[in-house]
Amino acid sequence: DVQLVESGGGLVQPGGSLRLSCAASGFTFSNYWMTWVRQAPGKGLEWVANIKEDGSEKNYVGSVKGRFTISRDNAKNSLYLQMNSLRAEDTALYYCVRVASGGYFLDREYYYYYYMDTWGNGTTVTVSS
Amino acid sequence: QSVLTQPPSASGTPGQRVTISCSGSSSNIGTNPVNWYHQLPGTAPNLLIHGNNQRPSGFPDRISGSKYGTSATLAISGLHSEDEGDYYCAVWDVSLSSWLFGGGTRLTVL
Repeated sequence: DVQLVESGGGLVQPGGSLRLSCAASGFTFSNYWMTWVRQAPGKGLEWVANIKEDGSEKNYVGSVKGRFTISRDNAKNSLYLQMNSLRAEDTALYYCVRVASGGYFLDREYYYYYYMDTWGNGTTVTVSS
Repeated sequence: QSVLTQPPSASGTPGQRVTISCSGSSSNIGTNPVNWYHQLPGTAPNLLIHGNNQRPSGFPDRISGSKYGTSATLAISGLHSEDEGDYYCAVWDVSLSSWLFGGGTRLTVL
């Protein structure tokens, strides 16, 4: 079975740092983009960052650029999120999510698309003094 | 406020058909396929629809998705009590180089 297990969450003071980890199993980790999505208490989903299969491409939501760093270790089947200069508004449940791909024909051309298909159960980050 | 707009709530009675809309722009829904997720309280989101209208294997055909222009719609027919929960649309935005989620729609089965 495909499984994603997050860890590393906890209580941290504003300005502090945390490193989240995600252990992947049940699939060939190095073949997939991976992403982090967070959900503040009582709020909706917010995409945080993603990383290409080989780690060569990374994207971030504007509010975390320069503070968060996504990385991966394909030899260890692991995804990471280094979070620095944490703020109260970073308080959320952080999900590790696998990104799958599909395709479709349009006007005789084949197009690829991506979608988040498998989610972990999340790890909670609380930023408070 | 989300770039993708969903109604905050929807409701229906058992057996009824309900639809949930997701409105975006040319740089997201107008360009890329839309995906839909269902989330029950206290649990992780679950993929419902990908690529505008593709169901993961094993999912019932009473749940369907469609897209026209810069808007997408999720339709649930034969409503069941277990369909309650929050529904989110999601799409990649080519201008922002970001995944976007709609604000979510809470479905209540009356």
